Parts: sequence; structure tokens; C-alpha cells
Amino acid sequence: NAGVTQTPKFRVLKTGQSMTLLCAQDMNHEYMYWYRQDPGMGLRLIHYSVGEGTTAKGEVPDGYNVSRLKKQNFLLGLESAAPSQTSVYFCASSQTPYGYTFGSGTRLTVV
Amino acid sequence: GQQLNQSPQSMFIQEGEDVSMNCTSSSIFNTWLWYKQDPGEGPVLLIALYKAGELTSNGRLTAQFGITRKDSFLNISASIPSDVGIYFCAGQQVQGAQKLVFGQGTRLTINP
Repeated sequence: NAGVTQTPKFRVLKTGQSMTLLCAQDMNHEYMYWYRQDPGMGLRLIHYSVGEGTTAKGEVPDGYNVSRLKKQNFLLGLESAAPSQTSVYFCASSQTPYGYTFGSGTRLTVV
Repeated sequence: GQQLNQSPQSMFIQEGEDVSMNCTSSSIFNTWLWYKQDPGEGPVLLIALYKAGELTSNGRLTAQFGITRKDSFLNISASIPSDVGIYFCAGQQVQGAQKLVFGQGTRLTINP
């Protein structure tokens, strides 16, 4: 019973490099979300998806892109990483708008 | 974007004490939820509230959906060491959005 799986768990990038974070859920949930967590800021929504093939911007979308080509996967891309994107990234999925299941996070450091 | 104001930001208590924290907003919310995050993990849902005035318990935890729909409270009775972590409130706004807004979190530390 995997739930929501995020890969990788840790990553260090140099400024300007690109990378993709993968979120996979095995619960057949419609909704998927990407949040970032920074000290004192709580969880801020980057992008979200309300179904396969759909994406929408959240509160802090700049510098990120997402894709949901398959229902079970939600990818978060950083085209040109910046130190301000150093954060812990959480993916979540839900069948309703409320019952989020979170992954265990990806800790990203941009140097 | 819409923010939830959660307080206190941190708490240092003795084991066995009761804990209270709250979340407020200038906007009305349809749903209030409380999550707990253990170190190195993602948040886990503790309690969900769907109606103004609703009072719901989950073991030693009790949460209330404020009458004005602009606030919510979480109480933990007789705290134990495993209660340590960060507690987040979250709410779904009235308009649109199959998405939640989160508070800044309350970090709970317990001295045995």
C-alpha cells in the first residue's frame, strides 16, 4: 500500500540546472498537487491538477512547470533552478477536494 | 494569495499539559482541516470539519469550526511525547478551487 511516492528524496542542484520531481499515486485519485514548504511559510501551492491532462497554477507557480499525462503521475519541473527554489517539496493527491494524502517530500538544495 | 494566520508559531510544554492552537482568516472557508507533520514526513490528516459550529474529536484531539466560518481551533489534552511535531490548519475557500490553503504551522515541543 504505497499511497503517494515522491522521487527523489534528496537532490542538490547547481544554479541554472534543470530537474524533474516525480509524484506517483496508486489510489486512483483525481486530484494531485505540488506544494513547497519553507520555514515560517507553511505549505504553499505551486501547481495542481483536477484530472488527467489538466493542470492549473497555484499560489507560487513562477519558475515551475507541471504535467499530468497519466492519472497516477504528476511531474514538477524546474527549468533553470535558482537558490530561491531551495525548499522541501510535497506532492499530495485526493479523491475529494479535502482528503489529501501527502508524500514524504523531496528536499531540494540549489547552490 | 489567501493566507491563514495560525498561532502560536511554536509551543514548549510539559508532558501532560493541554495544548490549544488556532487559525484565523479574513475570508470565509467551507471546510477546515487539521494536519500533523512528523519530522521528515508529509502532513497527515487529523480532523476534518465541514459545518460552522461543528465540534469533532479524534482521541485526545478536539477541533472546532468557528461560527463565523473564519476560524478554527485545535485542542490536545494530556499531551504525550509522540504529540511532538508541526500542526497545520488548512481550509477550502468558498469559491472554486479543489485545493486547500495552509496556515504557517505550530511547532509543538514537549519536555518530558
